[in-house]
Amino acid sequence: EVQLVESGGGLVQPGGSLRLSCAASGFTFSSYWMHWVRQAPGKGLVWVSRIKSDGSGTNYADSVKGRFTISRDNAKNTLYLQMNSLRAEDTAVYYCARGEVGLDYWGQGTLVTVSS
Amino acid sequence: QSVLTQPPSASGTPGQRVTISCSGSSSNIGSNYVYWYQQLPGTAPKLLIYRNNQRPSGVPDRFSGSKSGTSASLAISGLRSEDEADYYCAAWDDNLSGPVFGGGTKLTVL
Repeated sequence: EVQLVESGGGLVQPGGSLRLSCAASGFTFSSYWMHWVRQAPGKGLVWVSRIKSDGSGTNYADSVKGRFTISRDNAKNTLYLQMNSLRAEDTAVYYCARGEVGLDYWGQGTLVTVSS
Repeated sequence: QSVLTQPPSASGTPGQRVTISCSGSSSNIGSNYVYWYQQLPGTAPKLLIYRNNQRPSGVPDRFSGSKSGTSASLAISGLRSEDEADYYCAAWDDNLSGPVFGGGTKLTVL
């Protein structure tokens, strides 16, 4: 069974940093593109970033470019999102998801709250 | 403001057929596949339709997708109470080099 389990969310002050993790199981992690998608409270889905199966290519939304870094460790079947210079508008549930463009499996999400 | 445009709400009675529209541009829907996601209250999104009109295994054939030009639609026939959810369209955007989502449509089953 495919499982994606996010962790690392929490409360952080504006300007602070946080690293999210997504532990994958039930499939060959190293064969798939992976994404981060976020959802602010009561709002819609917003794509954040994606990374190629071997980690050789990445894309970012303009809103996070230069502040967030996506990475992966295929030996540990884990996806990461390093978030720096956090702003109040980054407050959201962050989901990891599998796929190149269409996202066929999603984790349950981890809440990031940026507030003083 | 989302790149893809969806109506904020839709409704229908049990057994009815409802459609949800999704409007984009030549850089996204006009040149790439459309995907639809269902998000039940308090849960993660679930892939409902991929590559414009394909259903993943386990998705009932009551759900169907179509695309024409720079617009797409999701149709749900034989509406059921458990279909009450938020529905999102998505497509790759060539200009933004990433997938873009619609703002979501909240479907209410009356």
